[in-house]
Amino acid sequence: NAGVTQTPKFRVLKTGQSMTLLCAQDMNHEYMYWYRQDPGMGLRLIHYSVGEGTTAKGEVPDGYNVSRLKKQNFLLGLESAAPSQTSVYFCASSPPIAQGGTEAFFGQGTRLTVV
Amino acid sequence: AQTVTQSQPEMSVQEAETVTLSCTYDTSESDYYLFWYKQPPSRQMILVIRQEAYKQQNATENRFSVNFQKAAKSFSLKISDSQLGDAAMYFCAYREYFGNEKLTFGTGTRLTIIP
Repeated sequence: NAGVTQTPKFRVLKTGQSMTLLCAQDMNHEYMYWYRQDPGMGLRLIHYSVGEGTTAKGEVPDGYNVSRLKKQNFLLGLESAAPSQTSVYFCASSPPIAQGGTEAFFGQGTRLTVV
Repeated sequence: AQTVTQSQPEMSVQEAETVTLSCTYDTSESDYYLFWYKQPPSRQMILVIRQEAYKQQNATENRFSVNFQKAAKSFSLKISDSQLGDAAMYFCAYREYFGNEKLTFGTGTRLTIIP
């Protein structure tokens, strides 16, 4: 059981380049989240989705876009990367609390460096 | 919006001793979940313990226990008999029960175990 898988694990981008981070989960979870982790700032929510075809902004959405065309996948896009987007990115998934799920399951993270 | 505050950026404890990590949160909701996650150097996010707000009894998982004070909006983690493997970043997190069920994190506490 793979759980939550993020692709790629590491990436170096030049300023202005674009890229897409892929998150895939095999637990049939409704909810999916993208976070960024920076020193001293914890994990901050970028965007999230409460179901296939839905997305919503989190705490720090500027400079990012997301899509959830399939329930199992949640894509995070950077259209024009900036050095301020250098961070570790985490994807997570969770079932709704009403379905008995409270815990969020995390991927292994993607370390992105923008030079 | 809910906020989670961890006022101790770093803590240290002697091996086999007990340490308490602090967390406070702000919410107007009556039903919610609270979590402590551990992040070792591997970067993996590991659930340590969870607490349901409507349960008065404090959660316990082996050497880990919480002191949940709902009125004070406080949720501290106690680690007994500290072991070298407990060294990690610890994040307190809040999940709203109704609405979008977002998961909000504190800024983390880095725990060092002194042999």
